[in-house]
Amino acid sequence: DLQMTQSPSSVSASVGDRVTITCRASQDIGSSLAWYQQKPGKAPKLLIYGASNLQRGVPSRFSGSGSGSDFTLTISSLQPEDFATYYCQQASSFPQTFGPGTTVDIK
Amino acid sequence: QVQLQESGPGVVKPSETLSLTCSVSSYSISSGFYWDWIRQTPGKGLEWIGSIYHGGRTDYNPSLKSRVTISVDMSKNQFSLKLTSVTAADTAVYFCARGFRGLLHVLSYYDFWGQGTLVTVSS
Repeated sequence: DLQMTQSPSSVSASVGDRVTITCRASQDIGSSLAWYQQKPGKAPKLLIYGASNLQRGVPSRFSGSGSGSDFTLTISSLQPEDFATYYCQQASSFPQTFGPGTTVDIK
Repeated sequence: QVQLQESGPGVVKPSETLSLTCSVSSYSISSGFYWDWIRQTPGKGLEWIGSIYHGGRTDYNPSLKSRVTISVDMSKNQFSLKLTSVTAADTAVYFCARGFRGLLHVLSYYDFWGQGTLVTVSS
């Protein structure tokens, strides 16, 4: 299976901070990458698909970039409701696989 | 707003079969999209189990393929998961989700999810 890694595994940040999370695929996946946000006890929520396409209803402070094997999720100004765990998912190579997650917590 | 809801036993004995159903509302399964099962454990994270689409075609994760069956009941707007010969390693939160694919993308992204249901394998 294609392996996904994320860094950092956790990050402490304050409201208003710019936060960047990186996802790396073990091989070229083009732009076939999604980002999800998950809060405790809840299902993941789709934020970004196709590496940079904002899902309907997701605030514009979230953005995604990258192609090939290196991708980035940026939160431009962290809000209280953004403290959560973020996962990337590749949709290029069967079977689809997810990254291990990055937890954004309060500094 | 599309809604998905998992249902099924919360405890399954080792070697028995795990059976879950996902009820979909505000969208007809027969109209399209992919209908998937995904599970989550603290150790392995999020793991794709399988998908049903196009009126009954299925794809399964090769790591689980020998034990998994996904089926659909269009009349009830539900799809189901059966996982046989379970062990403690199958203890997880199981999610059902709707998958979609863009023109350039081979596999699915997931835009609607159920709340998840914890299944514990224990005697």
